[in-house]
Amino acid sequence: EAAVTQSPRSKVAVTGGKVTLSCHQTNNHDYMYWYRQDTGHGLRLIHYSYVADSTEKGDIPDGYKASRPSQENFSLILELASLSQTAVYFCASSGYEQYFGPGTRLTVL
Amino acid sequence: GDQVEQSPSALSLHEGTDSALRCNFTTTMRSVQWFRQNSRGSLISLFYLASGTKENGRLKSAFDSKERRYSTLHIRDAQLEDSGTYFCAAEGITGNTRKLIFGLGTTLQVQP
Repeated sequence: EAAVTQSPRSKVAVTGGKVTLSCHQTNNHDYMYWYRQDTGHGLRLIHYSYVADSTEKGDIPDGYKASRPSQENFSLILELASLSQTAVYFCASSGYEQYFGPGTRLTVL
Repeated sequence: GDQVEQSPSALSLHEGTDSALRCNFTTTMRSVQWFRQNSRGSLISLFYLASGTKENGRLKSAFDSKERRYSTLHIRDAQLEDSGTYFCAAEGITGNTRKLIFGLGTTLQVQP
């Protein structure tokens, strides 16, 4: 069974603060992804990576950075959190089929 | 840009009935994946198709192999535990990024 874990599972952050969301996979997959889910928007791709030490912009990268220090780990960084970044964030990994982590509920106050 | 359109947006079924969800793509797609999101928010992969059909228990999915512009998910003998939001997501044929484009989902409620 594919395994993708995320931490933290929920977080409350203050506007202007720095937030780091972490993702770890044990699937030996090359590809990893960060999505956000908002009511009425489905899932939208923020950043992705197909190899360690390299990241690519997705469809909505503004306000986010990503880091892929190893094949197993992929982080999403919000340098200056804003109210509009309140959402549920999902990490996924894939060979071909994508497998998702449990999500992180981020609330920015 | 490329889009994925799901229908219906919401569906209510009685236990034991059958139904079908549909995903239309505005352009040719390489593959499609179907997910169910449960009440806790977890996204569970149901099917990944690059062509043809797949079946798993009471669920069956098909991907139009000719024009590759739509996919269906059939639910047979609906049960209460089938309730949730169903998403389809498709990968475009340009490049090899394996990026998925998600539809907005179908919210399914199965009633006794």
